[in-house]
Amino acid sequence: AQSVTQPDIHITVSEGASLELRCNYSYGATPYLFWYVQSPGQGLQLLLKYFSGDTLVQGIKGFEAEFKRSQSSFNLRKPSVHWSDAAEYFCAVGAVGGRRALTFGSGTRLQVQP
Amino acid sequence: EPEVTQTPSHQVTQMGQEVILRCVPISNHLYFYWYRQILGQKVEFLVSFYNNEISEKSEIFDDQFSVERPDGSNFTLKIRSTKLEDSAMYFCASSVSELADQSVDEQYFGPGTRLTVT
Repeated sequence: AQSVTQPDIHITVSEGASLELRCNYSYGATPYLFWYVQSPGQGLQLLLKYFSGDTLVQGIKGFEAEFKRSQSSFNLRKPSVHWSDAAEYFCAVGAVGGRRALTFGSGTRLQVQP
Repeated sequence: EPEVTQTPSHQVTQMGQEVILRCVPISNHLYFYWYRQILGQKVEFLVSFYNNEISEKSEIFDDQFSVERPDGSNFTLKIRSTKLEDSAMYFCASSVSELADQSVDEQYFGPGTRLTVT
């Protein structure tokens, strides 16, 4: 069965600093990978996705993520964090072969210090 | 920009009561989903729905749960007899899935319904 691990429960960065949120997955084939963001009291917003092709994908709000097959990772990055980026970030895996259910990681809560 | 909407935003119910959570998916989407997030825990898949039938469900989605598309726009989740442990945020999602060779595509989530069972 597929699984997703987000090792960092909580991260605090200063505004303007760079950010990297880690995501590792376990799946037998190349999965479909997603990053979602959840602001307090809000739903899940898709930041970016990887299906195939270029392993560096660009998303909304200045985020990017890199798929590394050798490390089974799909880390999310942003070069300069803004206070409005404070939220919870979820990595998710979607399987091929007809299964549509997304498997989510446990999330990383990002705090941004002024 | 089209979005998934959910009503109500917060539902309080007593244990043993039936609740219906409502969702309006994005209009040209073909697949519909329900997920839930118990406070402090992961978002968990419940069920997916396509062409007026369940296409996939998780172990959580037992006989007390049912889904329906009663008309051309609404998608509902019914919990027949609520338990305390059903308290959670329930998210509806939808996806387009027009591409025959793509099993997974972007799922767009609604803002959620917070269900509190007392």
